[in-house]
Amino acid sequence: KAGVTQTPRYLIKTRGQQVTLSCSPISGHRSVSWYQQTPGQGLQFLFEYFSETQRNKGNFPGRFSGRQFSNSRSEMNVSTLELGDSALYLCASSLTSGRLTDTQYFGPGTRLTVL
Amino acid sequence: GESVGLHLPTLSVQEGDNSIINCAYSNSASDYFIWYKQESGKGPQFIIDIRSNMDKRQGQRVTVLLNKTVKHLSLQIAATQPGDSAVYFCAEMRRALTFGSGTRLQVQP
Repeated sequence: KAGVTQTPRYLIKTRGQQVTLSCSPISGHRSVSWYQQTPGQGLQFLFEYFSETQRNKGNFPGRFSGRQFSNSRSEMNVSTLELGDSALYLCASSLTSGRLTDTQYFGPGTRLTVL
Repeated sequence: GESVGLHLPTLSVQEGDNSIINCAYSNSASDYFIWYKQESGKGPQFIIDIRSNMDKRQGQRVTVLLNKTVKHLSLQIAATQPGDSAVYFCAEMRRALTFGSGTRLQVQP
């Protein structure tokens, strides 16, 4: 069974631009969560989508948004990029939402660099 | 606030030795913990999990111990191998995963 895939793997943008990242979950998984990883803040939860609805949201500004499609694929968008948005963006999928012990499986991440 | 953390940023061990990576948490109501391994250029990989109604759980070459009294958990890796070199995170699952800061395990040949 194929794992979580994320595209693109690397992105370079300039301040003020916007970016869209894509995530395809493991087949059969319906929940997709997004995390930001930086050297300073570590791994932080952005949001979770299940059945095309945002279920949970972390403490990030409104410039960060996402959506999920009927096939469970998800995208996240960051508008008006700032230098501090440079990070590894990780997507994780799990079978369902709200079940504590559903393992989250991570993709390889998208490395975003903002110049 | 609620958090998980790790004791040491770096741990260096000799190949073949046992490794112990520690983690502390602050919320006594925490119910479910997971250890992840992250190799360079990859996303976190699930290693083992434990619920608060357990004190110990074993996997292949790995053991997680949970001490609820002092709010501490540890990951033990037996016979550490070069392929175990990575950053190890403990995480708590509530609404979402909350990760500790990570311990980089370096395995010396």
